[in-house]
Amino acid sequence: AQSVTQLDSQVPVFEEAPVELRCNYSSSVSVYLFWYVQYPNQGLQLLLKYLSGSTLVESINGFEAEFNKSQTSFHLRKPSVHISDTAEYFCAVIRMDSSYKLIFGSGTRLLVRP
Amino acid sequence: NAGVTQTPKFRVLKTGQSMTLLCAQDMNHEYMYWYRQDPGMGLRLIHYSVGEGTTAKGEVPDGYNVSRLKKQNFLLGLESAAPSQTSVYFCASSYSVGNTEAFFGQGTRLTVV
Repeated sequence: AQSVTQLDSQVPVFEEAPVELRCNYSSSVSVYLFWYVQYPNQGLQLLLKYLSGSTLVESINGFEAEFNKSQTSFHLRKPSVHISDTAEYFCAVIRMDSSYKLIFGSGTRLLVRP
Repeated sequence: NAGVTQTPKFRVLKTGQSMTLLCAQDMNHEYMYWYRQDPGMGLRLIHYSVGEGTTAKGEVPDGYNVSRLKKQNFLLGLESAAPSQTSVYFCASSYSVGNTEAFFGQGTRLTVV
């Protein structure tokens, strides 16, 4: 079975502080990995993705995530957060077998305080 | 481009009533998904489709049916609504597996009383 675990349901942080949102997955086959962001009362938007190649991937707004195969993790980081980063963040995987299901974790609410 | 459009945006149903949620995409995407979002549980996959005329079960398919008669539309049906189906429902579509992002609709807030 495939699962995605986001260990923190909520992460409060002060503005300009660094943050890490944790994501672990379990799968017996190779996976594609994603981070999506959801702002209040909106649908989800893709933040970044890992398909292959360099294990460090970056988004246009300063977030980055590193694929660690040995630890089956894909943690999301940002060195300095802004108030506007307040949102819910979802880690997701697609198994590279015949199922092609896009499966999400339970989400982490990032709350940036001034 | 409208992207992914869900109708309706809000609905209140009585227990036992039926309804259909419509998802329409204008991006010629092959893959379409229906999720429900509940507090503390993230998005759970109900059903999905990898192309016109095909459907498959996700993580929580019970109580729901789907159809993909046209490539651009993916319908989610509730035959006999239950209070446990109170949720926010999201539809998503993607061009192919993995190497393109999934685009999401704005959601449908369904309350079953």
